[in-house]
Amino acid sequence: AQKVTQAQTEISVVEKEDVTLDCVYETRDTTYYLFWYKQPPSGELVFLIRRNSFDEQNEISGRYSWNFQKSTSSFNFTITASQVVDSAVYFCALRGDFGNEKLTFGTGTRLTIIP
Amino acid sequence: DVKVTQSSRYLVKRTGEKVFLECVQDMDHENMFWYRQDPGLGLRLIYFSYDVKMKEKGDIPEGYSVSREKKERFSLILESASTNQTSMYLCASRVGTINTEAFFGQGTRLTVV
Repeated sequence: AQKVTQAQTEISVVEKEDVTLDCVYETRDTTYYLFWYKQPPSGELVFLIRRNSFDEQNEISGRYSWNFQKSTSSFNFTITASQVVDSAVYFCALRGDFGNEKLTFGTGTRLTIIP
Repeated sequence: DVKVTQSSRYLVKRTGEKVFLECVQDMDHENMFWYRQDPGLGLRLIYFSYDVKMKEKGDIPEGYSVSREKKERFSLILESASTNQTSMYLCASRVGTINTEAFFGQGTRLTVV
């Protein structure tokens, strides 16, 4: 069985602060794939990033960065210099190897950026 | 851009009705999924389909069925709607290779009264 835990239900920060969203996962597969999605108030999930289990390189995309640590089974997401448009619900998700096609989501973290 | 379109944004149905939620994707994706989203529970997989006429149960299939007669269309069916099926329903599609992301529709908020 696979599982994704997002322990932070809700986070509020003042605009321009940095914020980190935590994601911890469990899987028995040796090859797996991790994802982050953003769900703005409009409701549609927007893909942000995919990370393969064999690639532990961290990634930065503008104000977004992701820290993948296999040793602690974590895939954390940091927003630097947050903006009001970053307010959304963020989901971390996990997919296993061939034969394990299911995409398992965490319960999400609601991020509110206070102007 | 990939487009996943759900037929309705909002639906209100009565208990016991048969309800059809339709999802269409325009990118020839093999895999399609139906999730429901509830507060505090995240997204839970109801059913998914590897390809036409193929389907597999997800985590919470009870009370639901699906149909995939054409590659671009994946329908979720509530055989006899109940109030505990009031939820947000999200459809997604993906290319049938393992390392690709899924693309989501805008969601259907279903209320069963």
